[in-house]
Amino acid sequence: QVQLQESGPGLVKPSETLSLTCTVSGVSVSSASYFWSWIRQPPGKGLDWIGYVYYSGSTNSNPSLKSRVTISLDMSKNQFSLKLSSVTAADTAVYYCARVDGHKSGPEYFLHWGQGTLVTVSS
Amino acid sequence: SYVLTQPPTVSVGPGKTARITCEGNNIGSKYVYWYQQKPGQAPVVVIYYDSDRPSGIPERFSGSNSENTATLTISRVEAGDEADYYCQVWDSLSDLYVFGTGTKVTVL
Repeated sequence: QVQLQESGPGLVKPSETLSLTCTVSGVSVSSASYFWSWIRQPPGKGLDWIGYVYYSGSTNSNPSLKSRVTISLDMSKNQFSLKLSSVTAADTAVYYCARVDGHKSGPEYFLHWGQGTLVTVSS
Repeated sequence: SYVLTQPPTVSVGPGKTARITCEGNNIGSKYVYWYQQKPGQAPVVVIYYDSDRPSGIPERFSGSNSENTATLTISRVEAGDEADYYCQVWDSLSDLYVFGTGTKVTVL
């Protein structure tokens, strides 16, 4: 069965770079059928899409974060990663990785999610 | 950018019907997806492609989408349905994934 698991530091200092990894099992990240995405949720607030990466290496991200976001794949480890630079307290959130699915169209919805990891930005 | 607006809260008695709306410009031209999120858990998709249910989702959950409003309907509401619900679309013009503002469903 498909499983995703986020990992990375739970505490990041302001102005530094947040780095998270999502380890995928049960499916290959090199599959052409899916996108691999990051989503975050500030405490007590709603869901905010960060971006995605495709097996080809192509990416796209939320315009509000685009200048600070890097998402990449490591096929050898069946992982994908998120880097968010120049973080502030506003980046404190639960970060989820997810697989983007679509059986009638291109990848449009998030069927499989990781459990989420809380990242706090504080000195 | 594309915006999806939901009511912040919906309250409903057990056994009654809850309706959660998701408003967006010409949302009827897009597929809408609905997620249920319980405290401390990742979201779970309960409706995809406007009105289809993934396996394991009760028939009590249904969806519709027309013009500028999509609706998630929960029939015969149970205490276990108490959760936050989010709508979501893929905006093809910008290749962006957009979530609604979220609705907290409270079972009275």
